[in-house]
Amino acid sequence: GAGVSQSPSNKVTEKGKDVELRCDPISGHTALYWYRQRLGQGLEFLIYFQGNSAPDKSGLPSDRFSAERTGESVSTLTIQRTQQEDSAVYLCASSSRALDIYNSPLHFGNGTRLTVT
Amino acid sequence: AQKITQTQPGMFVQEKEAVTLDCTYDTSDPSYGLFWYKQPSSGEMIFLIYQGSYDQQNATEGRYSLNFQKARKSANLVISASQLGDSAMYFCAMRGYDYKLSFGAGTTVTVRA
Repeated sequence: GAGVSQSPSNKVTEKGKDVELRCDPISGHTALYWYRQRLGQGLEFLIYFQGNSAPDKSGLPSDRFSAERTGESVSTLTIQRTQQEDSAVYLCASSSRALDIYNSPLHFGNGTRLTVT
Repeated sequence: AQKITQTQPGMFVQEKEAVTLDCTYDTSDPSYGLFWYKQPSSGEMIFLIYQGSYDQQNATEGRYSLNFQKARKSANLVISASQLGDSAMYFCAMRGYDYKLSFGAGTTVTVRA
Protein backbone atom coordinates (compact mmCIF):
# COMPACT_ATOMS: atom_id res chain seq x y z
CA GLY A 1 0.00 0.00 0.00
CA ALA A 2 0.93 3.66 -0.09
CA GLY A 3 3.47 4.94 2.38
CA VAL A 4 3.62 8.25 4.21
CA SER A 5 3.40 11.09 1.73
CA GLN A 6 4.80 14.57 2.32
CA SER A 7 4.47 17.68 0.25
CA PRO A 8 6.14 19.69 -1.00
CA SER A 9 9.39 17.75 -1.26
CA ASN A 10 11.34 21.00 -1.43
CA LYS A 11 10.43 24.49 -0.31
CA VAL A 12 12.49 27.64 -0.61
CA THR A 13 11.11 30.68 1.16
CA GLU A 14 12.22 34.12 2.18
CA LYS A 15 12.90 34.97 5.79
CA GLY A 16 9.76 36.22 7.47
CA LYS A 17 7.29 34.34 5.27
CA ASP A 18 4.95 31.62 6.54
CA VAL A 19 5.16 28.06 5.24
CA GLU A 20 2.83 25.10 5.47
CA LEU A 21 4.03 21.51 5.19
CA ARG A 22 1.66 18.63 4.60
CA CYS A 23 1.71 15.00 5.65
CA ASP A 24 -0.57 12.15 4.56
CA PRO A 25 -0.05 9.18 6.91
CA ILE A 26 -0.52 5.54 6.06
CA SER A 27 -4.22 4.71 6.04
CA GLY A 28 -5.32 3.30 9.39
CA HIS A 29 -2.34 4.64 11.31
CA THR A 30 -3.61 6.48 14.34
CA ALA A 31 -0.31 7.96 15.51
CA LEU A 32 1.44 10.76 13.61
CA TYR A 33 4.74 12.44 14.41
CA TRP A 34 6.71 15.40 13.09
CA TYR A 35 10.48 15.56 13.38
CA ARG A 36 13.10 18.07 12.26
CA GLN A 37 16.51 17.03 10.97
CA ARG A 38 19.20 19.63 10.49
CA LEU A 39 22.02 18.82 8.09
CA GLY A 40 24.19 15.96 9.34
CA GLN A 41 22.33 15.70 12.63
CA GLY A 42 19.85 13.42 14.33
CA LEU A 43 16.08 13.73 14.42
CA GLU A 44 14.53 16.27 16.75
CA PHE A 45 10.99 15.52 17.95
CA LEU A 46 8.47 18.28 17.31
CA ILE A 47 4.93 17.04 17.91
CA TYR A 48 2.89 13.83 18.28
CA PHE A 49 -0.78 13.14 17.52
CA GLN A 50 -2.64 10.03 18.70
CA GLY A 51 -6.24 9.65 17.57
CA ASN A 52 -8.48 12.22 19.20
CA SER A 53 -6.21 12.77 22.21
CA ALA A 54 -4.61 16.13 22.85
CA PRO A 55 -1.34 16.33 20.89
CA ASP A 56 2.03 16.28 22.61
CA LYS A 57 3.51 19.61 21.56
CA SER A 58 6.49 19.47 23.90
CA GLY A 59 9.05 19.50 21.08
CA LEU A 60 7.88 22.59 19.24
CA PRO A 61 10.83 25.03 19.44
CA SER A 62 8.83 28.25 19.53
CA ASP A 63 5.33 29.65 19.19
CA ARG A 64 6.06 30.23 15.51
CA PHE A 65 5.55 26.50 15.03
CA SER A 66 2.12 24.88 15.08
CA ALA A 67 0.55 21.72 13.73
CA GLU A 68 -2.92 20.40 13.16
CA ARG A 69 -4.36 17.06 12.30
CA THR A 70 -7.82 16.29 10.98
CA GLY A 71 -9.06 13.16 12.72
CA GLU A 72 -6.71 10.33 11.85
CA SER A 73 -5.70 11.67 8.45
CA VAL A 74 -3.80 14.62 7.04
CA SER A 75 -1.57 16.81 9.19
CA THR A 76 -0.11 20.21 8.44
CA LEU A 77 2.91 21.78 10.11
CA THR A 78 2.94 25.57 9.91
CA ILE A 79 5.96 27.75 10.52
CA GLN A 80 5.22 31.45 10.80
CA ARG A 81 7.72 34.23 10.18
CA THR A 82 10.40 31.78 9.09
CA GLN A 83 13.99 32.29 10.20
CA GLN A 84 17.18 30.97 8.64
CA GLU A 85 17.64 28.55 11.56
CA ASP A 86 14.39 26.87 10.49
CA SER A 87 16.18 25.49 7.43
CA ALA A 88 16.09 21.71 7.77
CA VAL A 89 14.35 18.58 6.55
CA TYR A 90 10.97 18.13 8.20
CA LEU A 91 10.02 14.48 8.49
CA CYS A 92 6.59 13.08 9.15
CA ALA A 93 6.01 9.55 10.41
CA SER A 94 3.02 7.42 11.31
CA SER A 95 2.49 4.21 13.23
CA SER A 96 -0.35 1.89 14.03
CA ARG A 97 -1.89 1.58 17.46
CA ALA A 98 -0.72 -1.89 18.44
CA LEU A 99 -1.58 -3.60 21.69
CA ASP A 100 1.99 -2.92 22.70
CA ILE A 101 2.65 0.67 21.74
CA TYR A 102 6.39 0.22 22.22
CA ASN A 103 6.93 -2.14 19.31
CA SER A 104 5.10 -0.26 16.58
CA PRO A 105 7.80 1.10 14.30
CA LEU A 106 7.41 4.53 12.80
CA HIS A 107 7.07 4.67 9.04
CA PHE A 108 8.61 7.84 7.67
CA GLY A 109 7.86 9.98 4.67
CA ASN A 110 10.64 11.30 2.45
CA GLY A 111 10.52 14.67 4.15
CA THR A 112 10.22 18.29 3.10
CA ARG A 113 13.51 20.11 2.66
CA LEU A 114 12.94 23.68 3.80
CA THR A 115 15.42 26.39 2.88
CA VAL A 116 14.95 29.87 4.31
CA THR A 117 16.92 32.53 2.44
CA ALA B 1 13.14 11.95 29.63
CA GLN B 2 15.10 9.54 27.49
CA LYS B 3 18.63 10.03 26.25
CA ILE B 4 20.24 8.04 23.45
CA THR B 5 23.99 8.11 22.95
CA GLN B 6 25.82 6.98 19.85
CA THR B 7 29.51 7.64 20.38
CA GLN B 8 30.81 6.68 16.92
CA PRO B 9 30.27 9.51 14.46
CA GLY B 10 31.74 7.51 11.57
CA MET B 11 33.01 4.02 10.82
CA PHE B 12 34.66 2.27 7.91
CA VAL B 13 34.16 -1.42 7.27
CA GLN B 14 35.46 -3.75 4.61
CA GLU B 15 32.91 -5.43 2.38
CA LYS B 16 31.80 -8.86 3.71
CA GLU B 17 33.00 -8.08 7.22
CA ALA B 18 30.80 -7.49 10.26
CA VAL B 19 30.42 -4.12 11.98
CA THR B 20 29.05 -3.21 15.40
CA LEU B 21 27.38 0.12 16.01
CA ASP B 22 27.21 1.23 19.62
CA CYS B 23 24.14 2.62 21.33
CA THR B 24 23.55 3.34 24.99
CA TYR B 25 20.41 4.78 26.48
CA ASP B 26 19.08 6.23 29.68
CA THR B 27 15.50 5.99 30.86
CA SER B 28 13.51 5.58 34.05
CA ASP B 29 10.60 3.88 32.26
CA PRO B 30 10.20 0.21 33.25
CA SER B 31 9.05 -0.73 29.75
CA TYR B 32 10.42 0.62 26.51
CA GLY B 33 11.25 -0.31 22.95
CA LEU B 34 14.54 0.10 21.11
CA PHE B 35 14.76 0.62 17.36
CA TRP B 36 17.41 0.99 14.71
CA TYR B 37 16.88 2.95 11.51
CA LYS B 38 19.00 3.31 8.39
CA GLN B 39 19.15 6.57 6.47
CA PRO B 40 20.89 6.34 3.08
CA SER B 41 22.07 9.43 1.26
CA SER B 42 18.64 9.61 -0.38
CA GLY B 43 17.29 10.69 3.01
CA GLU B 44 14.58 8.10 3.61
CA MET B 45 14.36 6.51 7.05
CA ILE B 46 14.26 2.73 6.89
CA PHE B 47 13.22 0.68 9.92
CA LEU B 48 15.67 -2.18 10.52
CA ILE B 49 15.06 -3.92 13.82
CA TYR B 50 13.20 -3.70 17.14
CA GLN B 51 14.00 -4.93 20.66
CA GLY B 52 11.52 -4.82 23.55
CA SER B 53 12.85 -4.20 27.01
CA TYR B 54 11.29 -7.42 28.30
CA ASP B 55 12.29 -9.59 25.38
CA GLN B 56 14.42 -12.51 26.52
CA GLN B 57 16.06 -13.08 23.17
CA ASN B 58 18.17 -10.65 21.18
CA ALA B 59 16.35 -9.52 18.05
CA THR B 60 17.55 -10.62 14.62
CA GLU B 61 16.39 -9.59 11.14
CA GLY B 62 18.39 -11.11 8.32
CA ARG B 63 21.90 -9.67 8.48
CA TYR B 64 20.95 -7.36 11.36
CA SER B 65 21.10 -8.41 14.98
CA LEU B 66 20.74 -6.43 18.15
CA ASN B 67 23.07 -7.08 21.07
CA PHE B 68 20.82 -6.05 23.95
CA GLN B 69 22.39 -5.76 27.40
CA LYS B 70 19.68 -4.39 29.66
CA ALA B 71 21.80 -4.00 32.78
CA ARG B 72 24.32 -1.94 30.84
CA LYS B 73 21.54 -0.07 28.99
CA SER B 74 23.11 -0.82 25.66
CA ALA B 75 21.54 -1.90 22.37
CA ASN B 76 24.30 -2.34 19.83
CA LEU B 77 23.50 -3.13 16.20
CA VAL B 78 25.55 -5.78 14.43
CA ILE B 79 25.55 -5.87 10.64
CA SER B 80 27.03 -9.09 9.34
CA ALA B 81 28.56 -9.63 5.89
CA SER B 82 28.56 -5.91 5.03
CA GLN B 83 27.53 -4.89 1.53
CA LEU B 84 28.24 -1.68 -0.37
CA GLY B 85 24.55 -0.83 -0.05
CA ASP B 86 24.91 -0.75 3.73
CA SER B 87 26.75 2.58 3.48
CA ALA B 88 24.41 4.98 5.26
CA MET B 89 23.71 6.81 8.50
CA TYR B 90 22.36 4.56 11.26
CA PHE B 91 20.21 5.84 14.09
CA CYS B 92 19.41 4.19 17.39
CA ALA B 93 16.07 5.22 18.89
CA MET B 94 13.97 4.51 21.95
CA ARG B 95 10.30 4.81 22.80
CA GLY B 96 9.02 4.85 26.37
CA TYR B 97 5.82 5.77 28.16
CA ASP B 98 5.58 9.15 26.49
CA TYR B 99 5.30 7.43 23.05
CA LYS B 100 7.89 9.74 21.53
CA LEU B 101 10.65 8.06 19.57
CA SER B 102 13.89 9.70 20.73
CA PHE B 103 16.90 9.40 18.43
CA GLY B 104 20.62 9.33 18.90
CA ALA B 105 22.96 11.52 16.85
CA GLY B 106 23.67 8.71 14.39
CA THR B 107 26.69 6.81 13.07
CA THR B 108 27.83 7.05 9.46
CA VAL B 109 28.94 3.71 8.05
CA THR B 110 31.05 3.53 4.91
CA VAL B 111 31.57 0.11 3.37
CA ARG B 112 34.76 -0.25 1.36
CA ALA B 113 35.08 -2.67 -1.58
